[in-house]
Amino acid sequence: GAVVSQHPSWVICKSGTSVKIECRSLDFQATTMFWYRQFPKQSLMLMATSNEGSKATYEQGVEKDKFLINHASLTLSTLTVTSAHPEDSSFYICSASYRGTGELFFGEGSRLTVL
Amino acid sequence: QKEVEQDPGPLSVPEGAIVSLNCTYSNSAFQYFMWYRQYSRKGPELLMYTYSSGNKEDGRFTAQVDKSSKYISLFIRDSQPSDSATYLCAMILNNNNDMRFGAGTRLTVKP
Repeated sequence: GAVVSQHPSWVICKSGTSVKIECRSLDFQATTMFWYRQFPKQSLMLMATSNEGSKATYEQGVEKDKFLINHASLTLSTLTVTSAHPEDSSFYICSASYRGTGELFFGEGSRLTVL
Repeated sequence: QKEVEQDPGPLSVPEGAIVSLNCTYSNSAFQYFMWYRQYSRKGPELLMYTYSSGNKEDGRFTAQVDKSSKYISLFIRDSQPSDSATYLCAMILNNNNDMRFGAGTRLTVKP
């Protein structure tokens, strides 16, 4: 099946710094990519939807200035957590929508720990 | 009422049992239905992908969609300890990618 690569798989940073997470579709073009956050023992929470070449659409309650999303090409989307704080520590997952069918493939996730 | 309802379990079965996982949904506009498996500390992986109603089989896994009842199921035959994971149902609307997930059911298959 199609592969979505997410990097880094884990990152530890100090409070106040910014962290960038990349999501790449390796063997297909993804018109739409999604970013999720998963809290312990809870399901995925959709944060935002990004379409290549346009601004991301954020879900209610998600701070767009805090979580910057860029979808620069059909194979790459980035999530930047700006001025990270300990409460931003979480598991972040991206998914890419296969052009044409809408089938979704997920990245492995990135574990962010903010000290 | 949530758009997608899934019993979070936990569900524990002996090895070799048939497992039945289910989700109900309220929006009749959903067209694509998926089941994901998520191991601890990993991202979800796509197991089954079904369009509209009917059955789809892949090895020990069978996905069923009953749109008239707004009910989807995933059956696992001859369950193995390696099947122990959280199973998420998901569905998307036609013509766009508005996706909704179930809460996930935690499954444990005991040897």
